[in-house]
Amino acid sequence: SYELTQPPSVSVSPGQTARITCSGDALPKKYAYWYQQKSGQAPVLVIYEDSKRPSGIPERFSGSSSGTMATLTISGAQVEDEADYYCYSTDSSGNHGVFGGGTKLTVL
Amino acid sequence: QVQLQESGPGLVKPSQTLSLTCTVSGGSISSGSYYWSWIRQPAGKGLEWIGRIYTSGSTNYNPSLKSRVTISVDTSKNQFSLKLSSVTAADTAVYYCARDTQQQLGWYFDLWGRGTLVTVSS
Repeated sequence: SYELTQPPSVSVSPGQTARITCSGDALPKKYAYWYQQKSGQAPVLVIYEDSKRPSGIPERFSGSSSGTMATLTISGAQVEDEADYYCYSTDSSGNHGVFGGGTKLTVL
Repeated sequence: QVQLQESGPGLVKPSQTLSLTCTVSGGSISSGSYYWSWIRQPAGKGLEWIGRIYTSGSTNYNPSLKSRVTISVDTSKNQFSLKLSSVTAADTAVYYCARDTQQQLGWYFDLWGRGTLVTVSS
């Protein structure tokens, strides 16, 4: 079955840039989406179509994709950005959704 | 605005069938070109997409769960439902319903319910 691979954890100091990667064989042909999930809450979409920001998401969140890797970048990470981040995409058929394993972002 | 709310038993016995319903309020489940998905998350673990349905009844399922999953829709009640058969403790999780949007090169969830915890235990 198709898999998306993320690092389990990323740690940065406040104000630094956090980068979270997501690798998958179908990413050259499928969009990556990124979700932020804070403890006890439902996930929130922070990036769609590889690099677009939904309204209400701070400009410090950005996304990119090249080849088989998508990257979520948080420029000037804030303490309130501490959360689990999940990439999401579809397999090559386009019919089956897949989440990455999630990355715990620590900002301290 | 549109909201989603999961409902159903919080406790299911092993080998039985887990049944959940998602009620869509503030708008019609049939409006727009949205699909409707179920996602789950075991405690302390990651998210897993279970499957989706369109109001026509067309479905897609996670291949790893396909043999046990049925998703249905009742447009008259503005609801869609999940049935997961032959459950084990590994099916214990928070179950979310979500609105699913199809794009040319992918799908995404733009609206989520708050989630409901289902525990499988005798």
